[in-house]
Amino acid sequence: AQSVTQLGSHVSVSEGALVLLRCNYSSSVPPYLFWYVQYPNQGLQLLLKYTSAATLVKGINGFEAEFKKSETSFHLTKPSAHMSDAAEYFCAVSDFPTANFGNEKLTFGTGTRLTIIP
Amino acid sequence: DAGVIQSPRHEVTEMGQEVTLRCKPISGHDYLFWYRQTMMRGLELLIYFNNNVPIDDSGMPEDRFSAKMPNASFSTLKIQPSEPRDSAVYFCASSARRNNQPQHFGDGTRLSIL
Repeated sequence: AQSVTQLGSHVSVSEGALVLLRCNYSSSVPPYLFWYVQYPNQGLQLLLKYTSAATLVKGINGFEAEFKKSETSFHLTKPSAHMSDAAEYFCAVSDFPTANFGNEKLTFGTGTRLTIIP
Repeated sequence: DAGVIQSPRHEVTEMGQEVTLRCKPISGHDYLFWYRQTMMRGLELLIYFNNNVPIDDSGMPEDRFSAKMPNASFSTLKIQPSEPRDSAVYFCASSARRNNQPQHFGDGTRLSIL
């Protein structure tokens, strides 16, 4: 079964500084990987996804993530943090699709809470 | 599009009462997922449906929990009887059939069992 590990349950960065949120995955097959963001009292919103195309994936709000097979990583970065980036971020991996269905369930990491220091 | 709609947004009830959470998926989506989020266990998938049929309910914690999807535009998650340890935020999400289309989440129902 696939799994993801998010290193660091809390990350604090200064406004304007680089954001780096770490995610490592475990999978016996080529994975599909996702980053979601959750703002207070809201559901999860998709930031970006990797589905075996380009290894560098660009998402919304200036975020991007790079798939590195050799490191089994899919870290999320943003060059310059903004106050509005304060939220909880979840990395997720999809189970390999079954033959009968075109979609499958996601396995989420435990989340990283990002705090932006003014 | 209206997005995934969940109701109620907040529910406070006493232990032993029946609780029903409701979800309206995005029109045209044929997958529907129910999740539970707690501080201790994070985000857990409880059950998911494809074309209104339950596909995997292995995450449903026990027989007190049940979920139905009587049609493509409505699903319920029921807890009977409720217990304090069921307190959590429950999310519904939906997606389309095409491979790995992202799941769209509702804003959740915050459930408190006293």
